[in-house]
Amino acid sequence: KAGVTQTPRYLIKTRGQQVTLSCSPISGHRSVSWYQQTPGQGLQFLFEYFSETQRNKGNFPGRFSGRQFSNSRSEMNVSTLELGDSALYLCASSLEGAAYGYTFGSGTRLTVV
Amino acid sequence: QQQVKQSPQSLIVQKGGISIINCAYENTAFDYFPWYQQFPGKGPALLIAIRPDVSEKKEGRFTISFNKSAKQFSLHIMDSQPGDSATYFCAAGSNDYKLSFGAGTTVTVRA
Repeated sequence: KAGVTQTPRYLIKTRGQQVTLSCSPISGHRSVSWYQQTPGQGLQFLFEYFSETQRNKGNFPGRFSGRQFSNSRSEMNVSTLELGDSALYLCASSLEGAAYGYTFGSGTRLTVV
Repeated sequence: QQQVKQSPQSLIVQKGGISIINCAYENTAFDYFPWYQQFPGKGPALLIAIRPDVSEKKEGRFTISFNKSAKQFSLHIMDSQPGDSATYFCAAGSNDYKLSFGAGTTVTVRA
């Protein structure tokens, strides 16, 4: 059974640019969540999608957005990148939501210079 | 603000010893308490989870103890092995489709 696939694994961007990260969940999982992981703030919830609908959004600025497609694949976009956006972005898939247990991908390491 | 407080930040244990990590929460709406294990370069992996209707759950060498009245829960790793060296996160969730994570505990098991 394939795991959660996140692409790309590493990314270097310049301040002011935008970036799109991709996540392919486990087959059959309809819920996809995104988390930002940094040494200072730990794991912070960005948003959760279920059957193409955003069910919850974390406390992040509007520059952070996401979407989910009909095949459950998800993308997140960060516009007007800031140095503080440098982080590991983790995608987690689950059958129905967080309380059913997440399977995380290995993440995308974003560095903003 | 951190909704789940985790301690200690790091710990070192000898092979065969017991590792204990503690977490506390304030939000009484939380009804799901998982623990995740993360190795360098990997995403967190679900280790074990508990709901508030039980006080203890054991899976292999890993045990969660839960104290609803104190709003605390803990992870015990029995017979710790070098392969258990990782960062451990407690978390809490309710019916809002997200988890609040603790800050993490780095466990080092000395051979």
